[in-house]
This record gives sequence, C-alpha cells and structure tokens, in this order.
Amino acid sequence: EIVLTQSPGTLSLSPGERATLSCRASQSVRSKYLVWYQQKPGQAPRLLIYGASSRATGIPDRFSGSASGTDFTLTISRLEPEDFAVYYCHQYDSSPQTFGQGTKVEIK
Amino acid sequence: QVQLQESGPGLVKPSETLSLTCTVSDGSISSDSYYWTWIRQPAGKGLEWIGRFSTSEGTNYNPSLKSRVTMSVDTSKKQFSLKLTSVTAADTAVYYCARSVAGTADFDCWGQGALVTVSS
Repeated sequence: EIVLTQSPGTLSLSPGERATLSCRASQSVRSKYLVWYQQKPGQAPRLLIYGASSRATGIPDRFSGSASGTDFTLTISRLEPEDFAVYYCHQYDSSPQTFGQGTKVEIK
Repeated sequence: QVQLQESGPGLVKPSETLSLTCTVSDGSISSDSYYWTWIRQPAGKGLEWIGRFSTSEGTNYNPSLKSRVTMSVDTSKKQFSLKLTSVTAADTAVYYCARSVAGTADFDCWGQGALVTVSS
C-alpha cells in the first residue's frame, strides 16, 4: 500500500504567518487522487483541497495545494485563528486508500 | 445540504460484532452517483479507510480488515451500515461515515462520528 509521510509532525506558528505542510508518497500518486483535509478537535475532517490543487466549496483562497512528483504541499498563506488544526493528506490512486499521519498546526 | 448521522452501540465486548448505521438525510443513498464510505480514527491517531459501498459497483474493503467487514445499504431507510466481526481493543475508535461523488474519494460530507469502545 502507498504510505503517505507528512512533515513536520507539528508546526508552531503565529497568526498571520505562512504555513507549508508536506506530504510525500512512497509510490507514484496521480495528482487527481490526492486530497487534503482539516480536522479540529472533536470534529470530523473537512475537505479542503482535492485533485492536489483545487479548493473545495467554501474554502478560502489562503489555502492552496501543489504537487511535484511524489511530493505534495499544502500552503496556508496567512494563518487565521481558525486555521490551527490538524491537516491530513489522503490518496485514493491505489487501493487501499491511505492517509498521512497528520500535521498539527499549533499557535506559537 | 445532506447530513449524515452515525448510530450504534458505544460499547462492544471483545470477540463480538460491531454494528453501526449511517442515516442519510436525503434520498441520495439510492443514487449511483455517490460512494458511501466508512473511516475510523483511534483516539489521538490518524485516519484509516475501512471501505466503501456503491449501489452500482458494490463494495471495496481495506484488505487489512476485509475478512471481518461487511457493508450494506437499506435504501428504504436511507441508511448504510457497517459490521465488523471478532473485534478487539484495537478496533476502539471513532467511526465516521462519509460521502463522495462516485469515482472519487473526495469526502465532502461526513457524519459527526461515533465512538465505539471494545471492552469487557
């Protein structure tokens, strides 16, 4: 199965700063099948980015995604207080679908 | 907007069967335009895909759980269900149901999650 490795495990930043989250796949993943979710404590994940770079409905444009080979990046251009959460990447190019272990973005 | 709601026992004994139901607020459960998926998350840990059901394509399960998992749909009740047999403490988790457009796994709609604890 494809292993998605997210880094860093925790990102400590201040509101207004830029966040760059990485997701590296152990095998090739077509961009179309790479997704990013945001999860806050006690809540279900929320779809942020699909197809590696397309924002889901209602997602602010400070969130962006990109891909390069087996490396995928989620960027939050300027952190808002509501952005502090855990972020997961997810691939469904190959079965079984797998998720990364998550990156926690915490307030510095 | 469609809403999903998980329900079922919060406590299951080891070796018994975990049974959960996801109730869908609209009629989309009958459509072959969607996939219906179960995902779980142990406390403080990441997400694990359990499997999915589609009215047109049937089921697709995670091989790590395939021997113990059954998913089905009851369109008359607008529900899809998960059964996981021979549970152990390792199956303790929050279980989510989620919907995606058929052909994708972009889960744009999730239930709130149901905590299931496996303990005697």
